Amino acid sequence: QKEVEQNSGPLSVPEGAIASLNCTYSDRGSQSFFWYRQYSGKSPELIMSIYSNGDKEDGRFTAQLNKASQYVSLLIRDSQPSDSATYLCAVFSNDYKLSFGAGTTVTVRA
Amino acid sequence: DVKVTQSSRYLVKRTGEKVFLECVQDMDHENMFWYRQDPGLGLRLIYFSYDVKMKEKGDIPEGYSVSREKKERFSLILESASTNQTSMYLCASSLARTGAYEQYFGPGTRLTVT
Repeated sequence: QKEVEQNSGPLSVPEGAIASLNCTYSDRGSQSFFWYRQYSGKSPELIMSIYSNGDKEDGRFTAQLNKASQYVSLLIRDSQPSDSATYLCAVFSNDYKLSFGAGTTVTVRA
Repeated sequence: DVKVTQSSRYLVKRTGEKVFLECVQDMDHENMFWYRQDPGLGLRLIYFSYDVKMKEKGDIPEGYSVSREKKERFSLILESASTNQTSMYLCASSLARTGAYEQYFGPGTRLTVT
């Protein structure tokens, strides 16, 4: 069973702060890693993809991958109330499917 | 922009009814997926398809079947709906390009079985 674990929430941060989300995975052969954002009552929306070790930045979002430690993270800089959502970590191995974590709920306090 | 559409946003059905949930994607994606999402249980894969007329069971296929007659369309069928199938159903699609596999989700169908 391929497992994806995320830090348990909820995570509450003040507006303008950095929100840090963590994810570990069990399958060392995993190749591709994704972060999805899901607003309450809505479907998941892909916000970041990362395939190689290191950092990848997109606007206020930075994904970090460390395959040796089997660890992927998402940083949200200058957090805004509109960032309040559940963030899902997803990992692709080699059988067409993604394995999803349970999600971390982020609340940004105005 | 990838677009995945689902036939209904909300659906109410009675126990024992046969239920069809339709999903259409317009990006020529090879892979299509059906999930259900329940509070505390996360996303669970029901079935997926990597080609027309091909289907594979996911983690919770019991009580469900699927049909993929055309590349852009993937249907989920509840043969005899039961109350424990009340859930949010999410369809997704992805390219088959090696190393990628980003999945794009439709808006979801919230099904209530009474």
